[in-house]
Amino acid sequence: QKEVEQDPGPLSVPEGAIVSLNCTYSNSAFQYFMWYRQYSRKGPELLMYTYSSGNKEDGRFTAQVDKSSKYISLFIRDSQPSDSATYLCAMSGYGGATNKLIFGTGTLLAVQP
Amino acid sequence: GAGVSQSPSNKVTEKGKDVELRCDPISGHTALYWYRQRLGQGLEFLIYFQGNSAPDKSGLPSDRFSAERTGESVSTLTIQRTQQEDSAVYLCASSRGGSAGNEQFFGPGTRLTVL
Repeated sequence: QKEVEQDPGPLSVPEGAIVSLNCTYSNSAFQYFMWYRQYSRKGPELLMYTYSSGNKEDGRFTAQVDKSSKYISLFIRDSQPSDSATYLCAMSGYGGATNKLIFGTGTLLAVQP
Repeated sequence: GAGVSQSPSNKVTEKGKDVELRCDPISGHTALYWYRQRLGQGLEFLIYFQGNSAPDKSGLPSDRFSAERTGESVSTLTIQRTQQEDSAVYLCASSRGGSAGNEQFFGPGTRLTVL
């Protein structure tokens, strides 16, 4: 079993829809949770960064962490065609000082105009 | 520069050749990471540098892989005797280190193709 599971999609939604992206994980020691956006043939771009459980909002993006269920989500409101990309969840903090990130495989999102 | 830069952006090599990939981190970032992204897979941690501390090499897949970093600046990842399974995008990231080390900023990557 992978430490981090993420549905690869693809997920296709119409412009303006609310998008929900999710990851589950198995290691209860994870403390830091991140969402990255990756456009085709580009490096990942940090979107959201949260520590422990709770919600964080930034513009059209909301990140939720439920450590009791080992489940994290990213919501995108009023989705735009420019949001079409692969979304990667990542997490760390299970020990040591490395801060190495453990990534999901990514969900490919297509927002149709 | 404003962000992490990597070179070359693309590299095609023949099986058995050595390759060297370069990363320039964000100025002031003390921590530097290398990851590998195979087609259809998530990023895989390779190695981590933090200041003058000994690097964490726990993610290097074999002894054909090595990396160096000079102080808190440029890093090079070297793959010796390349194999076809080494074909991937190699991504470098940097961060301020410490508790901020989880906020990692990535470069555009080097796409390596081994024929």
